[in-house]
Amino acid sequence: SYEMTQPPSVSVSPGQTATITCSGDKLGHKYLSWFQQKPGQSPVLVIFQDARRPSGIPERFSASNSGNTATLTITGTEAMDEADYYCQAWDTSTAIFGGGTRLTVL
Amino acid sequence: QVTLKESGPVLVKPTETLTLTCSVSGFSLSNAALGVSWIRQPPGKALEWLAHIFSNDEKSYNTSLRRRVTVSKDTSKRQVVLTLTNMDPVDTATYFCVRMWQPDVTWYFDHWGRGTLVTVSS
Repeated sequence: SYEMTQPPSVSVSPGQTATITCSGDKLGHKYLSWFQQKPGQSPVLVIFQDARRPSGIPERFSASNSGNTATLTITGTEAMDEADYYCQAWDTSTAIFGGGTRLTVL
Repeated sequence: QVTLKESGPVLVKPTETLTLTCSVSGFSLSNAALGVSWIRQPPGKALEWLAHIFSNDEKSYNTSLRRRVTVSKDTSKRQVVLTLTNMDPVDTATYFCVRMWQPDVTWYFDHWGRGTLVTVSS
């Protein structure tokens, strides 16, 4: 079965750029979504179709997907961005999630 | 306003069958561009997709749970039902009902319910 790997944790200072990766075999051939989940809350879609932001998601969230790696970038990270982030793709008709990355804003 | 609300037991015993209902509003289960998935999350762990159902009643299941999981819908009642048989403590998780949206070539999880925590214990 298809698998996607994320680093368990990433730390960033306020105002700096946070980068979260998601790796999988030929991941660039799939459309990727990213979700943000804060403690005790439901996940929120922050990126879909590799790099598109839903309405209401700040411009500081951007993403790319090529080769075997997708990247979520948060530019000018704010304290409110501290959360778990999950990548997600489809493998035929099965939805696959990465293991999640905890972003800490120090 | 799109909302999804999960309901069902908070505690089930091992070997019992779990039945969860997702009540939706703000969209129709007969819309061909929309579907509903069930996704769960054990405490402190990652998200796991379980199943989905589309407007034409097409369904898909997580192969690791295929023998145990069933999804169905009642369009007139605006409800989607998940059943998971032979529950085990490892099935303890928050179960989310999630709307799926297809604006182009693939599907996206664009609206999530608040989730319901189900504990499996004797």
